[in-house]
Amino acid sequence: SYELTQPPSVSVSPGQTARITCSGDALPKKYAYWYQQKSGQAPVLVIYEDSKRPSGIPERFSGSSSGTMATLTISGAQVEDEADYYCYSTDSSGNHRGVFGGGTKLTVL
Amino acid sequence: QVQLVQSGAEVKKPGASVKVSCKASGYTFTSYGISWVRQAPGQGLEWMGWISAYNGNTNYAQKLQGRVTMTTDTSTSTAYMELRSLRSDDTAVYYCARSSVADTTGLDYWGQGTLVTVSS
Repeated sequence: SYELTQPPSVSVSPGQTARITCSGDALPKKYAYWYQQKSGQAPVLVIYEDSKRPSGIPERFSGSSSGTMATLTISGAQVEDEADYYCYSTDSSGNHRGVFGGGTKLTVL
Repeated sequence: QVQLVQSGAEVKKPGASVKVSCKASGYTFTSYGISWVRQAPGQGLEWMGWISAYNGNTNYAQKLQGRVTMTTDTSTSTAYMELRSLRSDDTAVYYCARSSVADTTGLDYWGQGTLVTVSS
């Protein structure tokens, strides 16, 4: 079955740039979406269709995609950005099933 | 504003069924789909499936085929997810999320989650 691969953890100091990657064979053909999940809360969409930012999401969040890798970038990470981040996309094999990456724990300290 | 409000926590015995509801408001229900996602304790997000509120088309995760049914009631703007033959590893928080009407993309707004505990 189709898989998206993320690093388990990323750590940065406040004000630094955090980059979280997501790799998958179908990403050249399918959009990536990124979700932030803080402890005990529902996920929140932070990037859709590879690089678009929903209203209300700070400008420091950006996304890009090239080849089989999508990247979420947090420029000038803040302590409040500490959370789990998940990428999401769909299979291109014809069944169009959804799949989440395993998640990346971002630590900002 | 878009809101998805889910039903309350459930405790079920192994082998039983559970039906979780997700009531939508703040948008035209039939112009979107609903995806269901679950999260076991301490684990990541798992996509369960999708239903179009426009025409009832569904797409289920392969591992849940035969045990899960997703439906909608357009008269009340409510989506339902029923999971049968529950096992202990079905213990999780279950989320609904608004999605594209045509396919499994675009999960934008999420419900608050429903904890389902499967225990004898």
